[in-house]
Amino acid sequence: DTEVTQTPKHLVMGMTNKKSLKCEQHMGHRAMYWYKQKAKKPPELMFVYSYEKLSINESVPSRFSPECPNSSLLNLHLHALQPEDSALYLCASSQKTGTYNEQFFGPGTRLTVL
Amino acid sequence: QKEVEQNSGPLSVPEGAIASLNCTYSDRGSQSFFWYRQYSGKSPELIMSIYSNGDKEDGRFTAQLNKASQYVSLLIRDSQPSDSATYLCAVRRTTDSWGKFQFGAGTQVVVTP
Repeated sequence: DTEVTQTPKHLVMGMTNKKSLKCEQHMGHRAMYWYKQKAKKPPELMFVYSYEKLSINESVPSRFSPECPNSSLLNLHLHALQPEDSALYLCASSQKTGTYNEQFFGPGTRLTVL
Repeated sequence: QKEVEQNSGPLSVPEGAIASLNCTYSDRGSQSFFWYRQYSGKSPELIMSIYSNGDKEDGRFTAQLNKASQYVSLLIRDSQPSDSATYLCAVRRTTDSWGKFQFGAGTQVVVTP
């Protein structure tokens, strides 16, 4: 099973809402990632978790809050977002972090902030 | 100069022909290289990884790496309309820890019947 799943597929939220994105993988991978992708741009790394510990925060605003409850799950909590945060949010996983590890992306959550 | 450069396209390819996509990178010490395919509105899908100089083949896809010239290419043989997508080149530099990629802007490929 080489699948990363994400829920929900689509999310519409107001600027005062609190919502969460969920990501799950059952490949035994110990590294998980959150990316943001705007239209016609490549994915931008937001966060990296390695062995359930936050390893990288790419200067992401605090209105995005990641959480890794266990080795299979990754959440992204959203609060007080701005319309410019509307994008495709991608989760990815790899066996470990490091040079020779392939990353596999989930299907993404299409987020619209009104 | 961008870290990773790709022609944005669109690259128009007749069905059955070979599509050739190029990617150049600036960090001479880069170690690992990946090609992703992304259909419009979908997530990136890993096609190929390559770490050593030379060719690596997987089905209709061949990745070619030349570290001395700092380029990596992807050939798609017998192109099909289903190959119409944006192809992203991703590079890991020596200074990138924690699995971070440098992505190119992507090349849009259009296969015409």
